[in-house]
Amino acid sequence: GDSVTQMEGPVTLSEEAFLTINCTYTATGYPSLFWYVQYPGEGLQLLLKATKADDKGSNKGFEATYRKETTSFHLEKGSVQVSDSAVYFCALSDRGSYIPTFGRGTSLIVHP
Amino acid sequence: ETGVTQSPTHLIKTRGQQVTLRCSSQSGHNTVSWYQQALGQGPQFIFQYYREEENGRGNFPPRFSGLQFPNYSSELNVNALELDDSALYLCASSLRGDSNQPQHFGDGTRLSIL
Repeated sequence: GDSVTQMEGPVTLSEEAFLTINCTYTATGYPSLFWYVQYPGEGLQLLLKATKADDKGSNKGFEATYRKETTSFHLEKGSVQVSDSAVYFCALSDRGSYIPTFGRGTSLIVHP
Repeated sequence: ETGVTQSPTHLIKTRGQQVTLRCSSQSGHNTVSWYQQALGQGPQFIFQYYREEENGRGNFPPRFSGLQFPNYSSELNVNALELDDSALYLCASSLRGDSNQPQHFGDGTRLSIL
C-alpha cells in the first residue's frame, strides 16, 4: 500500500537558517504530493502541492520538487522565521485511491 | 467560499459514554474524511464518506461510525468511549474524483475522556 516517510523531529534552527525536511513515498500509481502545515491548536493547512514528476510546488518561500526517480518530495526554505515554527506533514493522494496518506509529521522550532 | 467548520471545539466525556462530532464541508465539496490525531502524532484516517456512503475505512473498531447528509455535512459517532479516544478529531472535505486537489481541514474537535 501507499506510505509516506518523513524525517523525525524536532528540527531546531536559528532564524534565517536554511531548512530541509525530507519526505519519501511509496505508491502504486502516480500520486499527487502535498505538504501541509499545522500551527498549535489548529487544523492542517495546505502549504504547497505538485501533481506530476518534476513539478515544483512553492508558497510563502517554501519549495518542494516532485522527484519520481528518487520517490521524494523534500521541503526546503532558504531563510526560516520564528513564525514558521509548526508541524509539517507530507502527504500523497494516489489516483487509484481517493484516500490520502499522511506522514507522521516533523516539528520545526525556529529560535530568534 | 465557506470553509470547513467543526463543532464543538472542545468536549469532555467520561469512559463508556457516547459522543457525536459534527462537520460542515467546504462549499462545492462532496467528500468528507475523518481523522484522529493523538498528541504529537500525525492524523490517522478513520473513514471517508461520499454520496452518503462509507468509501473507505482505516484501522478503527466498529464503535466508530459516521453519517453523511445530502448537503454533504457529516457526523462522527463514537460509542463506549475509552481513555485512548482522547485526541483531536479532524474533518476534511474534498472533491472526489480529483486526487490533485488537497484536503481542506477544519480546526478540529478536542475530545478529552476522563
